[in-house]
Amino acid sequence: RKEVEQDPGPFNVPEGATVAFNCTYSNSASQSFFWYRQDCRKEPKLLMSVYSSGNEDGRFTAQLNRASQYISLLIRDSKLSDSATYLCVVNIRGGATNKLIFGTGTLLAVQP
Amino acid sequence: DADVTQTPRNRITKTGKRIMLECSQTKGHDRMYWYRQDPGLGLRLIYYSFDVKDINKGEISDGYSVSRQAQAKFSLSLESAIPNQTALYFCATSSGVSGDSPLHFGNGTRLTVT
Repeated sequence: RKEVEQDPGPFNVPEGATVAFNCTYSNSASQSFFWYRQDCRKEPKLLMSVYSSGNEDGRFTAQLNRASQYISLLIRDSKLSDSATYLCVVNIRGGATNKLIFGTGTLLAVQP
Repeated sequence: DADVTQTPRNRITKTGKRIMLECSQTKGHDRMYWYRQDPGLGLRLIYYSFDVKDINKGEISDGYSVSRQAQAKFSLSLESAIPNQTALYFCATSSGVSGDSPLHFGNGTRLTVT
């Protein structure tokens, strides 16, 4: 089983739709969580950190469910510019250093 | 100008050649990383460095070496390139102040080994 699993998609949604992605992780020592966005052939960029209490940034909402070991990303009122791959990243505490595990990403395509 | 710069952006080379990928940063971060990205596999850590002269292996270091001679520079070498090293390579930095420090990626180097 992969340490971090995401549905690869693609998720094809019309403009204005609400879409949600989930990401599951297997290591209970996972400490912190992030969503990164990656445009085609570009570098990943941090979208948002995911806090235990959940957090919101404009149209984006991230949630963490430690009991079920998953995080989610909700995008409201989708824009064409939201089309990208969304990477789930889990930070696992281990010894002197932390270890970042990347999911393979979920592809979102917002249609006009 | 980008905070994390990688050179070259694209490189095609032949099996057995030695290749060096360069990364420089202006963010003043101590921590630097090299990742490779392959379709369906996500980003995987090759090497990382928490300070000048500090070198640590990641999960897929075989066939690679790195050098961190200055805080701002972290280079990745393929001593004898092979076709399965064809991938998209990213350098990244972080401040390392806490476990929540995000990664800042360079713009990537697309390497093809024929």
